[in-house]
Amino acid sequence: SQQGEEDPQALSIQEGENATMNCSYKTSINNLQWYRQNSGRGLVHLILIRSNEREKHSGRLRVTLDTSKKSSSLLITASRAADTASYFCATGGTSYDKVIFGPGTSLSVIP
Amino acid sequence: GAGVSQSPRYKVAKRGQDVALRCDPISGHVSLFWYQQALGQGPEFLTYFQNEAQLDKSGLPSDRFFAERPEGSVSTLKIQRTQQEDSAVYLCASSLEVGQEGETQYFGPGTRLLVL
Repeated sequence: SQQGEEDPQALSIQEGENATMNCSYKTSINNLQWYRQNSGRGLVHLILIRSNEREKHSGRLRVTLDTSKKSSSLLITASRAADTASYFCATGGTSYDKVIFGPGTSLSVIP
Repeated sequence: GAGVSQSPRYKVAKRGQDVALRCDPISGHVSLFWYQQALGQGPEFLTYFQNEAQLDKSGLPSDRFFAERPEGSVSTLKIQRTQQEDSAVYLCASSLEVGQEGETQYFGPGTRLLVL
């Protein structure tokens, strides 16, 4: 079973624009993570935000977490064609806990 | 450094065949996970090892699926009498022990299994 839902399911933008993806989850969490998966490649961990954090930045990535609404967002600024991928939010994923993934958002960045 | 590796990268099997998928975790990683990813979906948990002990196999879809990690390093996921619904990408992930920097799970490139 999957923990939450991403919104939108698919997103197409022009290079240089910002991309925002949202995630909702169902149960209480210790942390929330975002992963990227390029076509034909494995999952790459992008960023982890803990339940006591509200916002976190990593390069062009900005993640917010609202535990009262059980939601998170991933913002990619100044998108590049290489950002084209599927993006998954996920909970769990420590060294002793399985990762529970959402269904993902498919992002296409058009050069 | 070397990441998680999986072999084969692609496998085509006839329905009813047995298959074995291999995962080489990052050296020193205690925890190892297997996930199944159907086309267009997020990965779903299959099973978890801590060293050689299989601590959670609640995600294995049927008794045709079997995983082992006999020496606490390399792991093999075996699927017996494959069915078409087994077609998916099988991902392996490894992680360091709790309390160390490696809370994150590191994923391999996956094995894409197609059952005809």
